[in-house]
Amino acid sequence: GESVGLHLPTLSVQEGDNSIINCAYSNSASDYFIWYKQESGKGPQFIIDIRSNMDKRQGQRVTVLLNKTVKHLSLQIAATQPGDSAVYFCAERDPWDYKLSFGAGTTVTVRA
Amino acid sequence: IAGITQAPTSQILAAGRRMTLRCTQDMRHNAMYWYRQDLGLGLRLIHYSNTAGTTGKGEVPDGYSVSRANTDDFPLTLASAVPSQTSVYFCASSEGTGPYEQYFGPGTRLTVT
Repeated sequence: GESVGLHLPTLSVQEGDNSIINCAYSNSASDYFIWYKQESGKGPQFIIDIRSNMDKRQGQRVTVLLNKTVKHLSLQIAATQPGDSAVYFCAERDPWDYKLSFGAGTTVTVRA
Repeated sequence: IAGITQAPTSQILAAGRRMTLRCTQDMRHNAMYWYRQDLGLGLRLIHYSNTAGTTGKGEVPDGYSVSRANTDDFPLTLASAVPSQTSVYFCASSEGTGPYEQYFGPGTRLTVT
């Protein structure tokens, strides 16, 4: 089965509101997590990462939260803009084989 | 700085034909990867290379081969294409095998008929 998954395949957000995208992972040994954004017709683009020894990390308008107790990762986007419309993937790194495993993605649509 | 370039951008290929997808990075990254992306399945690792001269199999390696003769280039070859290899292919690179982000190329859309 899939080691990384997202709770919702689609998310519709009003422009200006905050977005929360969730991700569940199953490998408790994963030591590194990344959020990627993929716009239509383009390759995935790095948004933010977090190591397993942290529970929160902030970037520009984005915050990633890691809850290792329940193996849950979330991406919060503040003041969502039309340019935030994309597919968002979470990925986890296995420290034994160094590989990243990706979830299927959540499609975020921003309503004007 | 270009980052990662892939060629071709798209290709329609007859089943049974041989095809090489090209990938070049100018960041001097040690590790490189090939993924395929199919609707509803996310990104799946085909092959990887931790450093020049070494390669390894990912999750879905059958029907594909790679080589890593130097740091910059990581071509992916389909020896005899089949329709199930219709997909979008992404090349990626990272500084190394540690907890580093992977940088992705723009992708190659391949259709096997």
